[in-house]
Formats: sequence, C-alpha cells, structure tokens
Amino acid sequence: EAGVAQSPRYKIIEKRQSVAFWCNPISGHATLYWYQQILGQGPKLLIQFQNNGVVDDSQLPKDRFSAERLKGVDSTLKIQPAKLEDSAVYLCASSSGTSIRELFFGEGSRLTVL
Amino acid sequence: GENVEQHPSTLSVQEGDSAVIKCTYSDSASNYFPWYKQELGKRPQLIIDIRSNVGEKKDQRIAVTLNKTAKHFSLHITETQPEDSAVYFCAASHRGNTGFQKLVFGTGTRLLVSP
Repeated sequence: EAGVAQSPRYKIIEKRQSVAFWCNPISGHATLYWYQQILGQGPKLLIQFQNNGVVDDSQLPKDRFSAERLKGVDSTLKIQPAKLEDSAVYLCASSSGTSIRELFFGEGSRLTVL
Repeated sequence: GENVEQHPSTLSVQEGDSAVIKCTYSDSASNYFPWYKQELGKRPQLIIDIRSNVGEKKDQRIAVTLNKTAKHFSLHITETQPEDSAVYFCAASHRGNTGFQKLVFGTGTRLLVSP
C-alpha cells in the first residue's frame, strides 16, 4: 500500500512570509496528525483530525498556524507569518480506526526560516 | 497534560552489546506505549509497542517492559548491530479534552553502535 505522502520536502523562506504544506494519508485512514519536530527534539503534536473534524489543536499556535482537512482525506498546514522558531520538520501521520494505534509517518517537510 | 521523559539522550555501545533506553510518563490513564526508530533524514517508524494489559513484549532482538505502578517503560535491544544506530523515541497515549487519544513523544535517544 502507498505510504503517507508529503510535499514539499524542503522549503526555505524569509521570516514573515507564508508557507503551506500538503499531506495525503494512507487510503482509508480516518485519523490524521500534524507534528512539529524541532532539531534534536521529539515530535510535538500540532493538530489531530478525525475524518474532517478537528479533535485536538491544543498546541497549535492559532495566531499563525492553520490546518484543514477537506473531505476527510488530504490536509494542508499553513504558517502565516512565519517566525525563525518555526524552523523544523513538519511530519504528517495517519492511522486507522478511532482508538490509538500505530502511526504511519510521511517523510516530512523541512522548513527553514531565515 | 501528559509528560514523557526519556533517558539517556545519547548512548554509545559496541557491536554485540545490549542497549537499554528508559522512559517515564505522568498520566496514569495512559494505556499504549510505542517505540519509534528514526534514521537520519528518514521518517519515524514503529519498531515495537505494548499495551497496558501486559508487562513485557519481545520481538527477536527487541523487547519492551512496562511497569504501570512506577509509570515507566523501557526498550531493550540485545546483540546490537551497526544498523541499529538511529534515534529512538518512546511515546505514551494521552486522552485529550475531546476524548480522543493522542501520542506524546519523548525527547529521543541517539544510539550509536560501533563495529
């Protein structure tokens, strides 16, 4: 089966610019997650979708980050305006079912903010 | 919320030795504890997981133990090989305010296996 697809793989922007990341989860996976992984740290959950509804965005900086999952499949994560501290790898993951189980991660989108 | 601490942050062993990585968690309701391996520049991948109804699980050279009373769990790798070199992350489940569970990750352990 195809894995979780993410794009772009790399992005370099100036601070205060905007950026968007795209994720296509494994077919049939109802739960989609966006994690932020700063260099040398563990992944931190930004937002979790169940189908097309948000079930957890408690750690999403809502003044600058937004995410949507239209039709319960693909998802986009947007940052506007970007700050230097947003430099990180943004990992998308998906899982099947509603109870917690294995997360399948994408390759990630590496963002550098200058 | 859940807090997951992981130690050590780096671990160097000789090929053939055993490696142990330990994690503690704060939420007594956590019931799912996976371990992920992340090679340089690659995606995290699940290597083993354990649920709270068992105390130990083994898969070839890898084992995980869970002590619910003490709220800690450990990853054991025996007969280490150079290809085991990677960053390992523990995680614990946590139920958010909406009732859905999520994974909270530790800070990672960089394992280096020298030939």
